[in-house]
Amino acid sequence: DAKTTQPTSMDCAEGRAANLPCNHSTISGNEYVYWYRQIHSQGPQYIIHGLKNNETNEMASLIITEDRKSSTLILPHATLRDTAVYYCIVRVARNNAGNMLTFGGGTRLMVKP
Amino acid sequence: ETGVTQTPRHLVMGMTNKKSLKCEQHLGHNAMYWYKQSAKKPLELMFVYSLEERVENNSVPSRFSPECPNSSHLFLHLHTLQPEDSALYLCASSQDPRNTIYFGEGSWLTVV
Repeated sequence: DAKTTQPTSMDCAEGRAANLPCNHSTISGNEYVYWYRQIHSQGPQYIIHGLKNNETNEMASLIITEDRKSSTLILPHATLRDTAVYYCIVRVARNNAGNMLTFGGGTRLMVKP
Repeated sequence: ETGVTQTPRHLVMGMTNKKSLKCEQHLGHNAMYWYKQSAKKPLELMFVYSLEERVENNSVPSRFSPECPNSSHLFLHLHTLQPEDSALYLCASSQDPRNTIYFGEGSWLTVV
């Protein structure tokens, strides 16, 4: 699975949009971009995923560049409860073997009042 | 509430003890996973089960023994662990190995 690069940490003001970037320049055509977050002492929480098109759900929006070498997770109105470590992961949806979610260091997002 | 329930949430055990971590998923999924998260280290995949068969064993020491009696339940049996095995152990499930993985809240293990 392709490696991802994320900033180590980011701050965001409460109520503002949080834009979390991720570089995945070696992504291949059949690899999806997944985002998870982990609030302290809890298990990772699935946020959103996409292949080529931009995606939106009740939690966030995912913007994938046309060349698919980078993406941005957008939390439209960040709250204090969005403070967490955000992981960007690229993976192939394998059919016959294990589902290799490979977590890196992620971005520590701090939402401030 | 993610639909993946882990018990116990916290466990302290001695190096000579035998204990087990339990995971139950209520999502109708067919694949289940154990991950380990040590302090200041990324999550590490330990085991993968698909349709109750182990499909991945990521070079995990034999003192960790998984068991998947059915598609809804997954156990991690622990025996003669070391203090460095202290970590957050996370169970997860997915519809099948191709689909999105959902994690439980984790079991905090301390080996003394």
